[in-house]
Parts: sequence; structure tokens; C-alpha cells
Amino acid sequence: DGGITQSPKYLFRKEGQNVTLSCEQNLNHDAMYWYRQDPGQGLRLIYYSQIVNDFQKGDIAEGYSVSREKKESFPLTVTSAQKNPTAFYLCASRHTGGVSTEAFFGQGTRLTVV
Amino acid sequence: AQTVTQSQPEMSVQEAETVTLSCTYDTSENNYYLFWYKQPPSRQMILVIRQEAYKQQNATENRFSVNFQKAAKSFSLKISDSQLGDTAMYFCAFMKHVHSGAGSYQLTFGKGTKLSVIP
Repeated sequence: DGGITQSPKYLFRKEGQNVTLSCEQNLNHDAMYWYRQDPGQGLRLIYYSQIVNDFQKGDIAEGYSVSREKKESFPLTVTSAQKNPTAFYLCASRHTGGVSTEAFFGQGTRLTVV
Repeated sequence: AQTVTQSQPEMSVQEAETVTLSCTYDTSENNYYLFWYKQPPSRQMILVIRQEAYKQQNATENRFSVNFQKAAKSFSLKISDSQLGDTAMYFCAFMKHVHSGAGSYQLTFGKGTKLSVIP
């Protein structure tokens, strides 16, 4: 089945460790996005990418890094520089052939840093 | 930077009644796109409805319709004949073309409105 897969669903890490969240899509979408969701904050954009080997910072990129080496993959690394990493992370992708096409979302990763 | 404001953190509606969720946005762009997404307790984001800014006609999808007021930068969602399955967080989203790098579309969300449908 086509879709976006985020793994793992739940992730626990110790403070000070870097951690990488996986996002894979088989929809042949060019654009991919990472959002962070906190209670009462909605979805805040971390990074987004239009094509392979290119990405832009969103509104809250500090403490995060991404790569886009393959069209279908857009992993997000939460570094030790991120002061409050515990959150729900959502990955999305969209087809860029039509400008009004919607974004499709994965099921999210809940990251807890202890 | 554009912002999306949803002024109602929580709302409730009786089953079978109609409810309207508000959304305003701030932009200097003329061409952009607006969406309403639903996030049920499963946390899966689901598209409810979309609107292109260049279209004057309000979008409609079954029981869901929008009131798009471009001059006022307002994009409200009306849910008719509310059902228990409509209970969810609803997010308004704004997308515009970013004129940098390879060129891309930035998608920005509001903080959401938690809607409860009461039996």
C-alpha cells in the first residue's frame, strides 16, 4: 500500500543523546516536511524539502538537522542542542505537480527524553 | 512570516447541529492555498477541505463547507449535521510558494480547535 511510514511510533532517549526519526514514503512525492506538535501549540514546521539534496529551515529548526539523499526518505535528527525535545513529531509529503495538492501525513513518532 | 490564527481553542456542538470553526491568516501574498485538517484521537492527520485563493466560490465537501473571505483573510469551516465521529482537533493550514532555493511550498498550521460532538 502507498503511504508514509514513520518509525518508531514511540522512542525513548536519555538527555544529551542524538536521536534520528525515520520517515519513508512510497508515494513518489517530491516535497517532504517535518513538524513538531506540542499541546496548545499546533503543528510547527521544523524543516522541509522540495527535491533531493535540498532542504530549508522552518520556524523552529534550531537543535534539529535533516538530510534528503533519496526522494523517498527524509530523516530528522534531534540533537543534544535541542533544549526541549520531548514532543510528538509528524512527517508529511506532497506531490508538487499540482500547486494545491494536499500534504499526506505519517502516523507520527512520540519522542520522550528522560 | 505568515501566521494562522484559530481563536477558539475548544468548542462543543450537539449531535446533528451545525458548528463553525474560525480561522484567520496574515499574508501579503495574492496566490496561496488554504486547508482544513482533522486530527482524531488516533492522531492521524486527515484532509477535510481545501480552497485556492484565486477561486471566489467557497469549497464544499459533503457536510463540510468553508466561508472564504479573501479581503478579510478569513477562512472558517462549517460542519453541518455534526456526527460523533467529527470529534477531533481541527487545524487550519496556509500554503504559499517560497521564492528561494529550488522553490518550494511552505505549509503553516494554526494552533487548532478541539471540537467535541455531544450525543
